[in-house]
Amino acid sequence: QSVLTQPPSVSEAPRQRVTISCSGSSSNIGKNAVNWYQQLPGEAPRLLIYYNDLLPSGVSDRFSGSKSGTSASLAISGLQADDEAVYYCSAWDDGLKVVLFGGGTKLTVL
Amino acid sequence: QVQLVQSGAEVKKPGASVRVSCKASGSTFSTTYIHWVRQAPGQGLEWMGIFYPIIGSSSYAQQFQGRVMVTRDPSTNTLYMELSSLRYDDTAVYYCARDKESGSDWYSFDSWGQGSQVTVSS
Repeated sequence: QSVLTQPPSVSEAPRQRVTISCSGSSSNIGKNAVNWYQQLPGEAPRLLIYYNDLLPSGVSDRFSGSKSGTSASLAISGLQADDEAVYYCSAWDDGLKVVLFGGGTKLTVL
Repeated sequence: QVQLVQSGAEVKKPGASVRVSCKASGSTFSTTYIHWVRQAPGQGLEWMGIFYPIIGSSSYAQQFQGRVMVTRDPSTNTLYMELSSLRYDDTAVYYCARDKESGSDWYSFDSWGQGSQVTVSS
């Protein structure tokens, strides 16, 4: 069981918008930056969002992040078939002194 | 653009040690924090620890303390992660990853190695 909780799966139709949630606590998301990664099958993860809502260079602005209290969300608009992947949130935990990852959410584009 | 290139797959017996290398090109490890993350088959990501190049030391997640050590060879710009007393559940893909804002407390990883498969099997 991950300390950062994500839904195991989400699905939505092409061109629609989907959100993926990440729930934590005051020792991680409540105090620290949240990052989001996309992992395609057989590949290394790729940074999508850092410091809650910032986009790295080269990442499409169809991706956006937000944080409120001890929860964070990743939104993907204009869904495309190649958005099918597993998405992970992460944050530093002040108590455990580790970087925590959520369990991952598998996105299916219907 | 920093590229991290890792060593190839390894098969080890329980109780043995494995060493995974991570070589940087396009940058150096002199100021860049490097993290190690692993992923067991079909599972999520698990953070193992961080290497601080300026002081040449590391901090590890508690579950790996005493079994993991990260060292550096500045002459080849290569980091090595050694995991000892291997168990079957250490079977995983091991990644090195660059901290995007080294020195901040954001812990975002913007460049990843391709991963090194470590299989523990008798």
